[in-house]
Amino acid sequence: LAKTTQPISMDSYEGQEVNITCSHNNIATNDYITWYQQFPSQGPRFIIQGYKTKVTNEVASLFIPADRKSSTLSLPRVSLSDTAVYYCLVGDLGSSASKIIFGSGTRLSIRP
Amino acid sequence: KAGVTQTPRYLIKTRGQQVTLSCSPISGHRSVSWYQQTPGQGLQFLFEYFSETQRNKGNFPGRFSGRQFSNSRSEMNVSTLELGDSALYLCASSLGGDSNEKLFFGSGTQLSVL
Repeated sequence: LAKTTQPISMDSYEGQEVNITCSHNNIATNDYITWYQQFPSQGPRFIIQGYKTKVTNEVASLFIPADRKSSTLSLPRVSLSDTAVYYCLVGDLGSSASKIIFGSGTRLSIRP
Repeated sequence: KAGVTQTPRYLIKTRGQQVTLSCSPISGHRSVSWYQQTPGQGLQFLFEYFSETQRNKGNFPGRFSGRQFSNSRSEMNVSTLELGDSALYLCASSLGGDSNEKLFFGSGTQLSVL
């Protein structure tokens, strides 16, 4: 299982673009990179998933370099409601939920 | 579609008691997994059920158990509660078998053991 390393916390301001980088040096060939968002007293919510290069959806973009040893979640024009903990997960999700390991996550605080 | 439903939302118990938590997955989802979340340990995997069978189990004592019914609804039980069992218990459902599935989480049950 690939271990991930993320910053413990980040601060930004409304309207800014926020980039959260995750390191996963031991990523395996079959592993995908997935990001979840969690608000206090709620369960995590899927944000985006990718394998290589760039993935974009209505919420965020995910940039993955060619060596796949890191990835960057990009949140465009954040608002106060984006204040949450963001988890980077790496694994072959197809086999079992037990292989999904949530690290400590990045606590993102957005200020007015 | 309705999301993952967990009941009760909050629960207060005393040491030595037992507790049963319930999880109703998204319709059509056959896999249900349970997680414990505490400030100190983060999110930790408890167990996963698929088609009424426990598919995987995390590193928790035997006091933690679960089951899944034919309609995919799941329950987890914690016996002989300890103070350290105070946590947010989260249930997640997924289709159960396809590659790179998303997990859909409920809002959790906040358990306080006094």
